[in-house]
Amino acid sequence: EAGVTQSPTHLIKTRGQQATLRCSPISGHTSVYWYQQALGLGLQFLLWYDEGEERNRGNFPPRFSGRQFPNYSSELNVNALELEDSALYLCASSLAPTLEQYFGPGTRLTVT
Amino acid sequence: AQTVTQSQPEMSVQEAETVTLSCTYDTSESDYYLFWYKQPPSRQMILVIRQEAYKQQNATENRFSVNFQKAAKSFSLKISDSQLGDAAMYFCAYRSAQGAQKLVFGQGTRLTINP
Repeated sequence: EAGVTQSPTHLIKTRGQQATLRCSPISGHTSVYWYQQALGLGLQFLLWYDEGEERNRGNFPPRFSGRQFPNYSSELNVNALELEDSALYLCASSLAPTLEQYFGPGTRLTVT
Repeated sequence: AQTVTQSQPEMSVQEAETVTLSCTYDTSESDYYLFWYKQPPSRQMILVIRQEAYKQQNATENRFSVNFQKAAKSFSLKISDSQLGDAAMYFCAYRSAQGAQKLVFGQGTRLTINP
């Protein structure tokens, strides 16, 4: 069974640009979660999607947004990139909101 | 809001020996889940073990076991017979049983295995 996949592996953007990160959950999983792992800030919850709807978001500005598609894959968009957005972005999926979350390998976003 | 604290930024252990990683948490909820995740240099977060707060019995997965002390809000991870492949960052995480299903992570403990 394939695990959670994320693309791209690395992404380099310039300040002010937009970044789009993608995540495909494990087959059958309907919940997708996004986390940011920034140096010195640890792992922070960003967004939770379930059945195509945004269910919860962490303490991040509105320029962090996303969506979940009918096939349960998800996209994270970061607008007006700032230097401090440089981080590893991890996607996780679960079969149901109450069950374990399984993580993908992450996308390393670098903003210059 | 819930918080998770890992007070040991780094730990090291000799191969084949036992090591315990500490984690404390703060919550006003009575029903929740606790997890230990491992993040090797490849960056992929791997679920090591899970504990339901309503269960008194400590969870065990092969060489990994936890010591869950609900009253003390403590959740330590014991790794027995340490192997070189256990070297990684270890994160303790909390999740509410209701409402927002986000994971709240501790700061992590970097575990080094000495051959």
